[in-house]
Amino acid sequence: NAGVTQTPKFQVLKTGQSMTLQCAQDMNHEYMSWYRQDPGMGLRLIHYSVGAGITDQGEVPNGYNVSRSTTEDFPLRLLSAAPSQTSVYFCASSPRGPETQYFGPGTRLLVL
Amino acid sequence: QQQVKQSPQSLIVQKGGISIINCAYENTAFDYFPWYQQFPGKGPALLIAIRPDVSEKKEGRFTISFNKSAKQFSLHIMDSQPGDSATYFCAATPSHTGNQFYFGTGTSLTVIP
Repeated sequence: NAGVTQTPKFQVLKTGQSMTLQCAQDMNHEYMSWYRQDPGMGLRLIHYSVGAGITDQGEVPNGYNVSRSTTEDFPLRLLSAAPSQTSVYFCASSPRGPETQYFGPGTRLLVL
Repeated sequence: QQQVKQSPQSLIVQKGGISIINCAYENTAFDYFPWYQQFPGKGPALLIAIRPDVSEKKEGRFTISFNKSAKQFSLHIMDSQPGDSATYFCAATPSHTGNQFYFGTGTSLTVIP
């Protein structure tokens, strides 16, 4: 199993550009989440999904969209990038419920 | 407002010593409390977790102590090793909501040989 994979590893955007951060898992996990990690702030939940076709907002959802059309994939879309979205983004998955949440390797995003 | 408060921000411990990291929360709906370990350039990895029906959980050198009345929980790393040098995050969730985790701000642990 590859586990949780994220692409790209690193991205530079200009303010106002849009992009999609990809996340995929091959463990048949129902639950998937997106977090952003900023210095001194820990990880903050952006959006999460408890199954295909079901998504919900987390703590900091503004400026981001998600969809979950398959169990495996959970892309995160930045609609119009802003410098405040410069961060490291982590995707995570778990089988069902909160136990054993597996994190991907992260995507480092720089918005100029 | 930070739902889970973590301290200290950084910690330096001698090899063989005990590392203690503390977290506090206010939301009584939280019922699952994991600790994650993160090495530079990597994603966090689950270390150990506890539910509020027990006051302590031990896995190898890692122990969670949980005080439900005080709404506090802590991670103890016994016989700390240089390989334990990492950033540690506590977290909490009301598990019935799905996967709404709230993380602490992290503790950077350095174990000196």
